[in-house]
Amino acid sequence: AQSVAQPEDQVNVAEGNPLTVKCTYSVSGNPYLFWYVQYPNRGLQFLLKYITGDNLVKGSYGFEAEFNKSQTSFHLKKPSALVSDSALYFCAVRDRRSGNTGKLIFGQGTTLQVKP
Amino acid sequence: GAGVSQTPSNKVTEKGKYVELRCDPISGHTALYWYRQSLGQGPEFLIYFQGTGAADDSGLPNDRFFAVRPEGSVSTLKIQRTERGDSAVYLCASSLTVAGPSTDTQYFGPGTRLTVL
Repeated sequence: AQSVAQPEDQVNVAEGNPLTVKCTYSVSGNPYLFWYVQYPNRGLQFLLKYITGDNLVKGSYGFEAEFNKSQTSFHLKKPSALVSDSALYFCAVRDRRSGNTGKLIFGQGTTLQVKP
Repeated sequence: GAGVSQTPSNKVTEKGKYVELRCDPISGHTALYWYRQSLGQGPEFLIYFQGTGAADDSGLPNDRFFAVRPEGSVSTLKIQRTERGDSAVYLCASSLTVAGPSTDTQYFGPGTRLTVL
């Protein structure tokens, strides 16, 4: 069965420090991987995705993520955190072998707190 | 341009009542998705439309849930005989489907918060 794990409920970092939000996945085939961010009382906003090619993907707001096939991971990173990055982050996966469907499987989310 | 919009933003109803939730996708997007997000959880897939037809409804929890997209644009999620366990935020997303739904980016609306008393 397809699944996504975000092992940390919350990540705390100081402003200006690098941040990492972890994500591991389990799918039968090769995955498509996504990160979304959710601000309070708002919908999910797309950050970045890995489809193919370079394992390091760059996205919106200075975020990047690295696809690691051997570790089945897709950790979200940013070199220097901002207080405004504080939000709920979701990792999602889509199995390439799932046929003609765009169904996303989401992790449970990680709350990022960036303190001044 | 305009994003995905959902109405109402909040809906409070009583157990056993019928509710309809509406989604207006981004103009020109042929794919439309419904997800349900319970408190403290990630969104869970409900149903996917390609045009007017439901291409994948495997996530609908039971036959009280139904969704339509009669003209290939606006979609309505319908819940009959609501139960307290249906309380959640219902999210709608749309995508352009140029390369194919698997690689498309889904753009989400703000959601409808449904509370069943």
